[in-house]
Amino acid sequence: DIQMTQSPSSLSASVGDRVTITCRASQNINRFLNWYQQKPGKAPKLLIFAASKLQTGVPSRFSASGSGTDFTLTINGLQPEDFATYHCQQTHRIPTFGGGTKVEI
Amino acid sequence: QVQLQESGPGLVKPSQTLSLTCTVSGGSISSSSDYWSWIRQPAGKGLEWIGQVYSSGNSNYNPSFNSRVTISVDTSSNQFSLRLTSVTAADTAVYYCARDRYDFVWGGPSNWIDPWGPGILVTVSS
Repeated sequence: DIQMTQSPSSLSASVGDRVTITCRASQNINRFLNWYQQKPGKAPKLLIFAASKLQTGVPSRFSASGSGTDFTLTINGLQPEDFATYHCQQTHRIPTFGGGTKVEI
Repeated sequence: QVQLQESGPGLVKPSQTLSLTCTVSGGSISSSSDYWSWIRQPAGKGLEWIGQVYSSGNSNYNPSFNSRVTISVDTSSNQFSLRLTSVTAADTAVYYCARDRYDFVWGGPSNWIDPWGPGILVTVSS
């Protein structure tokens, strides 16, 4: 299996902050990397696909980059509705997810 | 837009079979671009991909489930289903059904999960 390691596992931030979350794959996954946002008691929601493509309807303050083994998700100007858990997912082989990063106040 | 809804028992006894159905609305389960997936999430833990099925019936599974899992599709009802046999307490989780969309990005095929159903909590307990 391809292991996905997210860091940090949690972080504290304030409204307006710039937040960066990283995801590292245990082997080269090219650009087969997606990012999801999950709020408590809700299903995950797709934010970014194919490493850097913004899903329709997702605010432009979300951006992502990376290829190979190292990827980042950035939120520029954190909004109150952005406090959530973020998951990365690789689809290069049998899909696996990172452990999640909880963004809290 | 496509919406998904899981249904099935919320309580299953150990050693028995977990069976869930996902109903797709607002779109056809026979879409050529889409597989249909099941993912689960134990309380307070991460997401685990279980497997996927195509409208033809072709399926792919996570090997970690050791042949306990079967995912099938019923195109006439626009539904797909999950069967997980010999369940234990470790199978207690929220189970999500979702669309796994495939498309060409960066010059090659890529896939992502969107949208997801709201999820159903399944507890394994006697």
